[in-house]
Amino acid sequence: GAVVSQHPSRVICKSGTSVKIECRSLDFQATTMFWYRQFPKQSLMLMATSNEGSKATYEQGVEKDKFLINHASLTLSTLTVTSAHPEDSSFYICSARGAGTYEQYFGPGTRLTVT
Amino acid sequence: GENVEQHPSTLSVQEGDSAVIKCTYSDSASNYFPWYKQELGKRPQLIIDIRSNVGEKKDQRIAVTLNKTAKHFSLHITETQPEDSAVYFCAASKGDSNYQLIWGAGTKLIIKP
Repeated sequence: GAVVSQHPSRVICKSGTSVKIECRSLDFQATTMFWYRQFPKQSLMLMATSNEGSKATYEQGVEKDKFLINHASLTLSTLTVTSAHPEDSSFYICSARGAGTYEQYFGPGTRLTVT
Repeated sequence: GENVEQHPSTLSVQEGDSAVIKCTYSDSASNYFPWYKQELGKRPQLIIDIRSNVGEKKDQRIAVTLNKTAKHFSLHITETQPEDSAVYFCAASKGDSNYQLIWGAGTKLIIKP
């Protein structure tokens, strides 16, 4: 099946620093990658959608200058949380979709804690 | 825009019994309906999906039914086992916006031994 990896799985950083999260599709080319945020006991909240070689499309209320997304290749997308603050602490999950398909396959998620 | 409602928020069933989770959607243009299972702290995993040209789909103990007229779709799990305990999410897509999924709020399924 389609495999998506995400790194790191956990990160603790100090307030004001930046954190980069990588999402890779290992055995297929990801036309589109999605970045989600999930709070405890809640559903997935879509932050942004990215296509290879294009600028990401951000959902309403998500600051594009704070959550920088790069999708430089068909197998790699990165999310950088800039100047992180404690309220950015959350579970961040990426998903990837191949060309012409509906199915999204998820990475294992990254638990970000900002102290 | 599309809205997906999911019920119940929590479902507790005896091991071996069946579980049914229901979702409704608002946009009749939606044509793809997946179900994901998420265990605590882990990634959502696609367990079954259905397209709008099909009314029912089965895969061993799980099945999904779709009623396009009523804009309802349901997940059925038979002969429940402890490992079925998880949060289940339904979603809907109409194939636009890069096949974006609109998610339900989730159902916590508890299997009682």
